[in-house]
Amino acid sequence: EIVMTQSPATLSVSPGERATLSCRASQSVSSNLAWYQQKPGQAPRLLIHGASTRATGIPARFSGSGSGTEFTLTISSLQSEDFAVYYCQQYNNWPRGTFGQGTKVEIK
Amino acid sequence: QLQLQESGPGLVKPSETLSLTCTVSGGSISSISYYWGWIRQPPGKGLEWIGSIFYSGSTYYNPSLESRVTISVDTSKKQFSLKLSSVTAADTAVYYCAGTTSGWGYWGQGTLVTVSS
Repeated sequence: EIVMTQSPATLSVSPGERATLSCRASQSVSSNLAWYQQKPGQAPRLLIHGASTRATGIPARFSGSGSGTEFTLTISSLQSEDFAVYYCQQYNNWPRGTFGQGTKVEIK
Repeated sequence: QLQLQESGPGLVKPSETLSLTCTVSGGSISSISYYWGWIRQPPGKGLEWIGSIFYSGSTYYNPSLESRVTISVDTSKKQFSLKLSSVTAADTAVYYCAGTTSGWGYWGQGTLVTVSS
């Protein structure tokens, strides 16, 4: 099983600042990597698929990069609505997939 | 716009079988573009993929749950279902049904299932 490790567990950021979240796979997943945002009491929302392609309706301040085993989600200028938990998920052997444990982005 | 809705009991006794159904609307459950699946989230914890199904009935399960999980599809009712047998308190979670093309792009609102006597 491919293990996904996210860092940091918690990221404290001020509104308007840049946030950088990391996700590492235990073996190569090529570009088969998605990012999700989850707010309390809500279902996750797909932000990025294919490591770098924004899903429909996702603002341009969200960007994804990486391939193989190292991935990054960048939020260029944090808005109040961006404070949430973010998960990465690999789907290299689609439609199977494993999630990372999540990174909580909180207000500094 | 594709919409998914979970339904089923919110309370299940230990050792019994958890059964949930997901109804798909706003699109075709028989589309070759989608896989359908179940994902769960224990209270305060992260997401765990349970399994996926194609409209043809092909299934894929999380190896850690495979011995207890059955996912099925009924295209005539536009539904797919989850059965998880021999449940314990560790199976208490919010269960989401979801649909995917590349990444899980469509989610139900989730339903909390508590395992307790």
